[in-house]
Amino acid sequence: DAGVIQSPRHEVTEMGQEVTLRCKPISGHNSLFWYRQTMMRGLELLIYFNNNVPIDDSGMPEDRFSAKMPNASFSTLKIQPSEPRDSAVYFCASSLPSRSRAFFGQGTRLTVV
Amino acid sequence: DAKTTQPTSMDCAEGRAANLPCNHSTISGNEYVYWYRQIHSQGPQYIIHGLKNNETNEMASLIITEDRKSSTLILPHATLRDTAVYYCIAGPGGGTSYGKLTFGQGTILTVHP
Repeated sequence: DAGVIQSPRHEVTEMGQEVTLRCKPISGHNSLFWYRQTMMRGLELLIYFNNNVPIDDSGMPEDRFSAKMPNASFSTLKIQPSEPRDSAVYFCASSLPSRSRAFFGQGTRLTVV
Repeated sequence: DAKTTQPTSMDCAEGRAANLPCNHSTISGNEYVYWYRQIHSQGPQYIIHGLKNNETNEMASLIITEDRKSSTLILPHATLRDTAVYYCIAGPGGGTSYGKLTFGQGTILTVHP
């Protein structure tokens, strides 16, 4: 079991640029979650998918943020255009009801300068 | 999800038991108590969860009071590698709920040699 895989691990970009974060959930897991962690706000749920369908995106901060899950093994979180206040660590997690827990990736540290 | 209250920080000597308290006085009957931890620069890691009964696994024990208004996570023999932020979360179980987590500020546990 390779765990949840996120890429890149670190991203530095200039304000106004498009940023795409990627996530590969654990094989067989049917739910996927995107979280953001900042010092000020802690860990926040942005959006989650069930069986590749977005269920709740109420945590997405602005229209600049979008997420997709084209298939069961891949999801993206896109920020366009990026702003310095988007600097944070973004975590992806996946779960399966029979496992009763969420498995988190190692995160992507995003810095927007 | 019910609000949880945890001490900001705690210390523990290596080899001793670490007892981390959590108050969740507004927890509803169908809400579970989950514990996750986050070691520096890593994604959150599931530890244990329970509904009413005390639970034990290879990592820890969870003691839930009879009225379910508070709980204690016990790490029986703390090691330096247990230094982390510990999150107590009250929320529903089943389906996508296992990954739809509301994180608070958690308890910073520091294990000393």
